[in-house]
Amino acid sequence: DTAVSQTPKYLVTQMGNDKSIKCEQNLGHDTMYWYKQDSKKFLKIMFSYNNKELIINETVPNRFSPKSPDKAHLNLHINSLELGDSAVYFCASSQVSGATGELFFGEGSRLTVL
Amino acid sequence: SQQGEEDPQALSIQEGENATMNCSYKTSINNLQWYRQNSGRGLVHLILIRSNEREKHSGRLRVTLDTSKKSSSLLITASRAADTASYFCATDPSGSRLTFGEGTQLTVNP
Repeated sequence: DTAVSQTPKYLVTQMGNDKSIKCEQNLGHDTMYWYKQDSKKFLKIMFSYNNKELIINETVPNRFSPKSPDKAHLNLHINSLELGDSAVYFCASSQVSGATGELFFGEGSRLTVL
Repeated sequence: SQQGEEDPQALSIQEGENATMNCSYKTSINNLQWYRQNSGRGLVHLILIRSNEREKHSGRLRVTLDTSKKSSSLLITASRAADTASYFCATDPSGSRLTFGEGTQLTVNP
């Protein structure tokens, strides 16, 4: 069973479109995250939710809107896609919030904006 | 600039050799973690070392932490081709989130 699963794995779209990435974890964790990894493999936190509540919003353009319908799911919706949004987006979860425990990552969703 | 910076950026060794990667960080931390990322895959947690620990082992992995120098090293002994991956250190400068370095790309040649 996959612990943290994201869909889709690949996403190719045109500038200006809107797209969503879904994430689910079956680990029973309270905290979920979205990270963005650029072409140089630099990994940057975007958002964090704890029990469906937003706790970290890391200066991300408001074209990005996370939604957590329950603590096992965290989705990411992106409006008006731009070329610079091309990256790999990783969902992760942890048992506790903050940075005291290990993160469990999904396999990533590679977004290409043309 | 990044909280954690790995050195070297890339490392190429022969199977059976040891691989050492270093991580330096800027502010005080509660813990430091190392992760591995295989090509096209997600990150996998390897080891966590707390600020009051100096050394930790897990199988062929050995991690050291020197808080006075704000640095950590990851040693992989008797490397295998399957160890080929990017290795990242992650720290918690604010205590609220993990911040990742830029990674070391390790290539183990058979």
